[in-house]
Amino acid sequence: TQLLEQSPQFLSIQEGENLTVYCNSSSVFSSLQWYRQEPGEGPVLLVTVVTGGEVKKLKRLTFQFGDARKDSSLHITAAQPGDTGLYLCAGAPEDSGAGSYQLTFGKGTKLSVIP
Amino acid sequence: DVKVTQSSRYLVKRTGEKVFLECVQDMDHENMFWYRQDPGLGLRLIYFSYDVKMKEKGDIPEGYSVSREKKERFSLILESASTNQTSMYLCASRKGGSNQPQHFGDGTRLSIL
Repeated sequence: TQLLEQSPQFLSIQEGENLTVYCNSSSVFSSLQWYRQEPGEGPVLLVTVVTGGEVKKLKRLTFQFGDARKDSSLHITAAQPGDTGLYLCAGAPEDSGAGSYQLTFGKGTKLSVIP
Repeated sequence: DVKVTQSSRYLVKRTGEKVFLECVQDMDHENMFWYRQDPGLGLRLIYFSYDVKMKEKGDIPEGYSVSREKKERFSLILESASTNQTSMYLCASRKGGSNQPQHFGDGTRLSIL
């Protein structure tokens, strides 16, 4: 069973601060996705990273996939109250068997940005 | 725009009842999923379906069954509800392999009394 460990579990910061959230595994993934979930809603995809070492930017959010495709990070610059939510990483397995239908989700990082 | 609709946002049922949770997607996606989300445990896959009338067990299928009679609709059934099935249930759909984005509904918060 592939596992994804996210850290920290909870994060409370002031508006304007920077932060980094980590997603780590001992397994290799073919790709990794980041989702954000706001209270009362389902997760929404932010980005998919596919290539080892890949960096993607989405406004103030920077996503990086580790060189070995075992880990990823999400960095937020100058956090805003609108960034508040649960951030989930999800890895797609390398094999192409029946397990390739499934994503492995981390348990999430709950971010609160205080105005 | 992509839309996954879950029939109820909130549902309260009693122990032993048979409970149906419905999910409809309008994107012609072949893959559909049911997850439950619990504090400290994250999202756990209950069942998924990769085609009409096809189903596969996920990580925690015990106490649940599913039905996929039409491509757009995926139903989750709690055969005899128990209090430990109180949870947030999320439906998702996806076109193609696991590298593709999953589209989630807004969830059904189910309470079993």
